[in-house]
Amino acid sequence: GENVEQHPSTLSVQEGDSAVIKCTYSDSASNYFPWYKQELGKGPQLIIDIRSNVGEKKDQRIAVTLNKTAKHFSLHITETQPEDSAVYFCAASKGPGTYKYIFGTGTRLKVLA
Amino acid sequence: GAGVSQSPSNKVTEKGKDVELRCDPISGHTALYWYRQSLGQGLEFLIYFQGNSAPDKSGLPSDRFSAERTGGSVSTLTIQRTQQEDSAVYLCASSFGYLYEQYFGPGTRLTVT
Repeated sequence: GENVEQHPSTLSVQEGDSAVIKCTYSDSASNYFPWYKQELGKGPQLIIDIRSNVGEKKDQRIAVTLNKTAKHFSLHITETQPEDSAVYFCAASKGPGTYKYIFGTGTRLKVLA
Repeated sequence: GAGVSQSPSNKVTEKGKDVELRCDPISGHTALYWYRQSLGQGLEFLIYFQGNSAPDKSGLPSDRFSAERTGGSVSTLTIQRTQQEDSAVYLCASSFGYLYEQYFGPGTRLTVT
């Protein structure tokens, strides 16, 4: 069935360093890939997304890359700050508001001051 | 504006009892989703409502789970004869339509003792 694998499950970085989280999806019909940040006690919040017609998207310190051939996509956070500490989830879908998202299992990011 | 709201925020129930979880989507959003987040796991799709169409119930784990959406707005997720494995955070999301991203509520933490 449809599956999204996410690595690593935990990631610790020093403040100011970069963090990279990787996901692999199985359904080749997927064409929309959002990333969510979940802080303790809160629901996930969308931080960036990418559609299958582009290979990279940037928003300030956050970037996402997509390799459709390999069915890989990655989240890159540069110049990490303590407030970046949270659980990050990737997801794959056949459309942004259409149907269900298939989520990865999450990455707990700790930024050490 | 107001985001997705869910109630209660926490619910503790005894095994075998029924529970109802409520979701108020963002006003005007036509699509509504329920997900389940078990400890250390990603978000698992449960059910999806879109306008007046029949809901997609393909993610409901058993016939003890059901959901309704009244008047195209508020939704209730009902779990009958709760089991300990039902303990999880239940998240609701809504979107404006098929072109728009899903916005999540804060979740209801269900504990079955």
